[in-house]
Amino acid sequence: EDKVVQSPLSLVVHEGDTVTLNCSYEVTNFRSLLWYKQEKKAPTFLFMLTSSGIEKKSGRLSSILDKKELFSILNITATQTGDSAIYLCAVDSGNTGKLIFGQGTTLQVKP
Amino acid sequence: DGGITQSPKYLFRKEGQNVTLSCEQNLNHDAMYWYRQDPGQGLRLIYYSQIVNDFQKGDIAEGYSVSREKKESFPLTVTSAQKNPTAFYLCASSNRDRGRDYGYTFGSGTRLTVV
Repeated sequence: EDKVVQSPLSLVVHEGDTVTLNCSYEVTNFRSLLWYKQEKKAPTFLFMLTSSGIEKKSGRLSSILDKKELFSILNITATQTGDSAIYLCAVDSGNTGKLIFGQGTTLQVKP
Repeated sequence: DGGITQSPKYLFRKEGQNVTLSCEQNLNHDAMYWYRQDPGQGLRLIYYSQIVNDFQKGDIAEGYSVSREKKESFPLTVTSAQKNPTAFYLCASSNRDRGRDYGYTFGSGTRLTVV
């Protein structure tokens, strides 16, 4: 059975801290891994990763994929209160376009 | 602006009633999806449709039904057979462009509460 597991499930840090969120997966036909940020309602797209070892960056956020070990990490440096959200990891498996989501990591950044 | 519109944002249902959640997109996306989100459980797939007049069950389809009569619309009906319908429901759509995937575009969700 395909599955995606995120850790930790929740995290509380202070502004300025650096955080690392983890995502491991087991899927039969991997196409890509995606990270989303969900603040109130609709998740917003952060990164799509398809190749191992190539870091993607957007400001203070970065992510990398390891297809051999079947995991990805999302790093956030110099965290701000606006980074508080649920971070979702999802894997696109097969030709159907279905995304398999992890449980999400709830990040709270305190001032 | 292109996007996905879900309505209503909040919905209250009495036990035993069927309710229908609306999802409309003007992105010209072929595929549409319905997910349910409960606290601590991430997103779970209810139904999805890759083309008009065709749809497939996801992981938790029991107690739900859908239709895809138009490319733009993918309504979800929560039937009385769904024993625990209180949740946040997200609709999404996607398209694939010649070897490039753009992931999903999500609607803003509908929060359904059974009273």
